[in-house]
Amino acid sequence: AQSVTQPDIHITVSEGASLELRCNYSYGATPYLFWYVQSPGQGLQLLLKYFSGDTLVQGIKGFEAEFKRSQSSFNLRKPSVHWSDAAEYFCAPRVADKLIFGTGTRLQVFP
Amino acid sequence: KAGVTQTPRYLIKTRGQQVTLSCSPISGHRSVSWYQQTPGQGLQFLFEYFSETQRNKGNFPGRFSGRQFSNSRSEMNVSTLELGDSALYLCASSLGTKNTEAFFGQGTRLTVV
Repeated sequence: AQSVTQPDIHITVSEGASLELRCNYSYGATPYLFWYVQSPGQGLQLLLKYFSGDTLVQGIKGFEAEFKRSQSSFNLRKPSVHWSDAAEYFCAPRVADKLIFGTGTRLQVFP
Repeated sequence: KAGVTQTPRYLIKTRGQQVTLSCSPISGHRSVSWYQQTPGQGLQFLFEYFSETQRNKGNFPGRFSGRQFSNSRSEMNVSTLELGDSALYLCASSLGTKNTEAFFGQGTRLTVV
């Protein structure tokens, strides 16, 4: 079945620590891939996107993601987390012109 | 460049009523999509409009409908509201072509009592 999985519901890190949020998808062909971030009560902000080409993509706020076709993964990374990164993160493949969202990963940052 | 604007931001309605939500996309964008976000079901696709035509539809009952105007602004309507319709409704705009990303508005928080 077609799906997108974010295995980690909740992650807690210390400020300054590195971060990796996992995303796996299950679709026949490689879809376009996106990561969005949502602060409480707010809309979704696009962090980065992958359409084709270079498998390591850079986004805003110091985030990057790596597409791995063999693992059907598109993990989000940041080398040093800031307290303002606390939010919910959504991985979203685009399939048939619609975004299919994962369940999200809530990031908590301790000082 | 102005972002995606959704109005109103907050709404309280009574069961059985109907509601209309509005979305103004980014200037030049021709595609508008709507999503429903609830704690239980997460983010779910409602429908997408491109150049005034519904191009894609999610798995929601017919009480949920939408339209798009010639200036690309879109409205969604929910009739005969149920308690379960309480949600954050998000609108996204894009150019509507293949290699483009979607930008979201702040959402409309609908509470049905």
